[in-house]
Amino acid sequence: EVQLVESGGGLVQPGGSLRLSCAASGFTFSSYWMSWVRQAPGKGLEWVANIKQDGSEKYYVDSVKGRFTISRDNAKNSLYLQMNSLRAEDTAVYYCARDVRFGDARGWYYYYGMDVWGQGTTVTVSS
Amino acid sequence: SYVLTQPPSVSVAPGKTARITCGGNNIGSKRVHWYQQKPGQAPVLVIYYDSDRPSGIPERFSGSNSGNTATLTISRVEAGDEADYYCQVWDSSSDRWVFGGGTKLTVL
Repeated sequence: EVQLVESGGGLVQPGGSLRLSCAASGFTFSSYWMSWVRQAPGKGLEWVANIKQDGSEKYYVDSVKGRFTISRDNAKNSLYLQMNSLRAEDTAVYYCARDVRFGDARGWYYYYGMDVWGQGTTVTVSS
Repeated sequence: SYVLTQPPSVSVAPGKTARITCGGNNIGSKRVHWYQQKPGQAPVLVIYYDSDRPSGIPERFSGSNSGNTATLTISRVEAGDEADYYCQVWDSSSDRWVFGGGTKLTVL
């Protein structure tokens, strides 16, 4: 069964740090881009960051640039999100998702959305 | 930055057709994906690449995309379709995924 399981959420004070993990199983993890998406309480979905199969490309939403770092360990089938300098507005459920895209010989990408999601882990930033 | 606009809510009677729109500048030139999210659950991909359905998604779900509007159409709506629906595109000019604000579908 294709599965993503997040962990590492919790309560942290403003300015603190937290590291989220996402364990993948049931598919060849190293063949896929991966993303983190978050959802603040009562709000919509917000993409946070994604990472290429070999970790050579990473992209972030502006609001987390310089504070969050996405990484992966293909040997452990795991995705990570290191979150530093946390703010109250970072409070959300954080989902990892399989980010499906294919490239061609010209270097063009074709995007197919996020077809597998974890159940989410809750991060609360509060004093 | 690229913006996707969805109506906050859509209501439909059981058995009727629901249409949820997603507006964006020349969105027809991008590939649109749609997600269904029920309370307390993770999102589920229901339409990818404008109009394709993942395995397990009923044929009642369809999508289209042209000009400045993409549309998710749900035919023969059932009570179980009540959920929040989000559209999504990849904005290649900023290298980021963009989600619409979401539409709450209410089945009357």
